[in-house]
Amino acid sequence: QKEVEQDPGPLSVPEGAIVSLNCTYSNSAFQYFMWYRQYSRKGPELLMYTYSSGNKEDGRFTAQVDKSSKYISLFIRDSQPSDSATYLCAMSQAGGSYIPTFGRGTSLIVHP
Amino acid sequence: DVKVTQSSRYLVKRTGEKVFLECVQDMDHENMFWYRQDPGLGLRLIYFSYDVKMKEKGDIPEGYSVSREKKERFSLILESASTNQTSMYLCASRLPGGQGNTEAFFGQGTRLTVV
Repeated sequence: QKEVEQDPGPLSVPEGAIVSLNCTYSNSAFQYFMWYRQYSRKGPELLMYTYSSGNKEDGRFTAQVDKSSKYISLFIRDSQPSDSATYLCAMSQAGGSYIPTFGRGTSLIVHP
Repeated sequence: DVKVTQSSRYLVKRTGEKVFLECVQDMDHENMFWYRQDPGLGLRLIYFSYDVKMKEKGDIPEGYSVSREKKERFSLILESASTNQTSMYLCASRLPGGQGNTEAFFGQGTRLTVV
């Protein structure tokens, strides 16, 4: 079992839909949780970052962490075609080198 | 504007060749990473460097080596390229890990094909 599990999709939704992207993990020592967005033929870029449990909101994006269930989510409201990309979750432990472990990424397609 | 630059977008090399992938960052970051990205497998860490001349093996270091002689430059070396090393290679840099310093900045990637 991989430390971080993420459904690769693709997930196809109509414009304006609410999108839910999820990752599960097995390492209870993870404390830092990140979502990266990767457009085609580009490197990933950090979208959201959360420390420990709770919610974080930034515009149309909300990140949630449930450490008791070892489950993190990214919600996108009012999705746009420009949101079409691969979304990668990443997480790291506190201490040491804080090297992030990535999920496989979920491909999202928002069609007009 | 932060920048991580990989020397090539596309490379085609022959089996058995020694291949150098170069990465330069202009943010004075201590940490640098090399990942490979394959469909269905996501990003897998090859090597991590936490400072000049310092390195740690990642999850899949076999067949690779690295060099970090200067802070801004991190090189990935394929000692004898094989077809199973055909992949997208991504370099990243970051300030030392810790609260508030977790963002890794990625280059645009090098798509390597070994024939």
